[in-house]
Amino acid sequence: NAGVTQTPKFQVLKTGQSMTLQCAQDMNHEYMSWYRQDPGMGLRLIHYSVGAGITDQGEVPNGYNVSRSTTEDFPLRLLSAAPSQTSVYFCASSSYNQPQHFGDGTRLSIL
Amino acid sequence: ILNVEQSPQSLHVQEGDSTNFTCSFPSSNFYALHWYRWETAKSPEALFVMTLNGDEKKKGRISATLNTKEGYSYLYIKGSQPEDSATYLCALHSGGGADGLTFGKGTHLIIQP
Repeated sequence: NAGVTQTPKFQVLKTGQSMTLQCAQDMNHEYMSWYRQDPGMGLRLIHYSVGAGITDQGEVPNGYNVSRSTTEDFPLRLLSAAPSQTSVYFCASSSYNQPQHFGDGTRLSIL
Repeated sequence: ILNVEQSPQSLHVQEGDSTNFTCSFPSSNFYALHWYRWETAKSPEALFVMTLNGDEKKKGRISATLNTKEGYSYLYIKGSQPEDSATYLCALHSGGGADGLTFGKGTHLIIQP
């Protein structure tokens, strides 16, 4: 049972490049979400999904897109990376109103 | 944007002492309150999900209480051990459960031997 798997673990991008952070869970959870963690800011919600085909914006959605075509996968897309998006990104999943299970995080640097 | 506040921001406690810290949140539109423990270089791990006013939950030496009417939750650690050193996060689930979690910035706990 892998739980929540995030790839890659580390990535360096140049300003303007695009990339997709992958998140997959094998627990059949309806609820998935993406957070970013910055020093002094705690975890901030970027986007979340309450089920396949349904996504919604969190606190800091600008510059990010998501889709939820399957229950298992919830990729996060950066269309044109900016230095302000340098952060550690966490994906999480849960059943409804249950504790969230977090992935190990992706450390992203934008030069 | 919901305002979830945690205090203190950091805390040094002597090994063996008990301690507690606070999570404050807007009491309107409350659905659930989560507590997580986050060790350095790891991912957050769930401690409790609390939904009922007056609820009290316990996991070993760690317990939590909830007051939804006044908008606060306390986390207690009894007889602190070095392995309790971590950042403790609370998160509010509002909007009838249809919204995402809003996290506080955490209380960074350091247990001194």
